[in-house]
Order: sequence, then structure tokens, then C-alpha cells
Amino acid sequence: GEDVEQSLFLSVREGDSSVINCTYTDSSSTYLYWYKQEPGAGLQLLTYIFSNMDMKQDQRLTVLLNKKDKHLSLRIADTQTGDSAIYFCAESASGGSYIPTFGRGTSLIVHP
Amino acid sequence: DADVTQTPRNRITKTGKRIMLECSQTKGHDRMYWYRQDPGLGLQLIYYSFDVKDINKGEISDGYSVSRQAQAKFSLSLESAIPNQTALYFCATSDHREEVDTQYFGPGTRLTVL
Repeated sequence: GEDVEQSLFLSVREGDSSVINCTYTDSSSTYLYWYKQEPGAGLQLLTYIFSNMDMKQDQRLTVLLNKKDKHLSLRIADTQTGDSAIYFCAESASGGSYIPTFGRGTSLIVHP
Repeated sequence: DADVTQTPRNRITKTGKRIMLECSQTKGHDRMYWYRQDPGLGLQLIYYSFDVKDINKGEISDGYSVSRQAQAKFSLSLESAIPNQTALYFCATSDHREEVDTQYFGPGTRLTVL
């Protein structure tokens, strides 16, 4: 079945860039997502990218997709303490009725 | 007011008890989902419903049941709770008419089974 893998922890200094990586196995993935979960809250969609795109930029966020290697990354520029959260990579495809398969989440810790 | 609400927010119960977690949404979405979150394991899909008459099992449905009472309400039941069902439970909704099937999550219910 589909699988989404991501590292569990990332620690960065405030002001640096953060890069969170994700790999997936479903070659038919149509949409790839990044969700953010702040402490005590549910997940919120941060950004997404269509599988026919290589890159998407939205203010401090840059998403890169390497479809050949099935690798997705999220870069957060000028990381702030408010960016500390768990970031989930997810993918969906028509074969799965577009229900997303989530990775285990990467805990981003931003320290001064 | 929150678009997706869950009650209760926290619940402590004992092994063998029947528990119901409730979810309501005001977004007018047709699709609703129940997930379970365990530390380090991400989200696992328990059940999902694409409309009131459509209920489907997810990857970990054993020990759980659901009821879609109305388009806006989707409840999750644990018929006889066991300690390994201690987890954070999330309800989510989505709208199949949206170009991207974004999931909108409730705030979660923290369930502890002693």
C-alpha cells in the first residue's frame, strides 16, 4: 500500500531556514500536501502541490517536488519560534478517492 | 465559532466502558472522517463517510463503530474500550466539490482508557 515517510525531529535556530523532507511510494499520487499541527490543535493545511508541478512558493514557504524520486520538501525561510509545530506530509490519488495518506509528522523545534 | 467541533475534548474512562465521541460541522461538507493520532505514528484513518448513507472502514476500524446521523454529524463509538485505544482522536471534513480535497480538522478529543 501507499507509504509516506518523514523524519521525526528537526531543530533549527531562529532566523535560519528549515527544510523538512518527505518520501512517498505511490507513483499515482495526484496531490501532495503539507499540514501543520500546533500544540493542542488539529491539523491545518499549510500548502499543497499538484504532481505535475516542480515547485510552489508562498511567502516564506517553498515546496519542491521531485516526482522521479518521489521526494517532497518544505522549506521555511527565516524560521520563527511561532513555526514550532508538527508538520505532516500527505499524498492523495484518485485510486484512494483522494483520501490523504499521512506521514508520521516532523516535530520542528525552533530555538533562539 | 469553530467550523468543526468535537465533544468531549478530554475523557478518562475505564476498560470495558462504552464511549461515544461526537463531531459536528457547520461547513456544509459532505465528507467526514475519524482519525486516531498516536505519538510517532502519525494519523491513522478509522472510518470515513462520503455522505449520510455511505460509511466505510479505514485502516484501523476494529473495536470502533460510527454513525452518520446527519450531514453535519458523525459520531465514533468504542463499544468496549481497552487501554490501547488511549489516543488523540480527530474528526475531519472535506468537500468533494473543491478542486483540492483539503481536510478540515476539529480540535481533537484526548481519550484515556484505564
